[in-house]
Amino acid sequence: EVQLVESGGGLIQPGGSLRLSCAASGFTVSSDNMNWVRQAPGKALEWLSVIYSGGSTYYADSVRSRFTISRDNSKNTLYLQMNSLRDDDTAVYYCAKDGEKGGFFQHWGQGTLVTVSS
Amino acid sequence: DIVMTQSPDSLAVSLGDRATINCKSSQTIFYSSINKDCLAWYQQKPGQPPRLLIYWASTRESGVPDRFSGSGSGTDFTLTISSLQAEDVAVYYCQQHYTTRTFGQGTKVEIK
Repeated sequence: EVQLVESGGGLIQPGGSLRLSCAASGFTVSSDNMNWVRQAPGKALEWLSVIYSGGSTYYADSVRSRFTISRDNSKNTLYLQMNSLRDDDTAVYYCAKDGEKGGFFQHWGQGTLVTVSS
Repeated sequence: DIVMTQSPDSLAVSLGDRATINCKSSQTIFYSSINKDCLAWYQQKPGQPPRLLIYWASTRESGVPDRFSGSGSGTDFTLTISSLQAEDVAVYYCQQHYTTRTFGQGTKVEIK
């Protein structure tokens, strides 16, 4: 059974950095495309980043140059390094696994809340 | 970047009636090499992560009730709930994966 468990969220001051983790089980993160999606309070889903099985990475304009997606194959874990955090980065952050042969999200974690505030 | 626009932003439907949600992409999301539209639909209830309902525009995910159906091609797509049930109250999102990924702004479905 595929499981995704995010961690690393919390309260951080503007300008600070945080690294989110997504521990995967039931599959190998290096063999699938993995994504980060966030949802600000009361707002819509926002796709942030993807790391393809081959290692290529892509980002939404809103986080490019500030956020970095990566994975540790030995730990079967996905990461999101977030730098220069702003108030509008406050959101629940989800990791999500692409579906079979397509960029739709069949599996989601429960999310981790990041609050950026002074 | 491809922009996804849903309509309406919200709708109220009587139990047992049909609910229709539209989604329009700013450019075609039809992938000709595989003859498929790169469009998915999700349902999200409060406090929960989204749940995949439909992928490739019209393929129902395993376990999704058959009252949910997806249609459309190219740039215009529709999610239909044929007979609204109380448990269908949620926010629904469309998402394209033709180039990276983008979500629509969501449509809130309520009971009239």
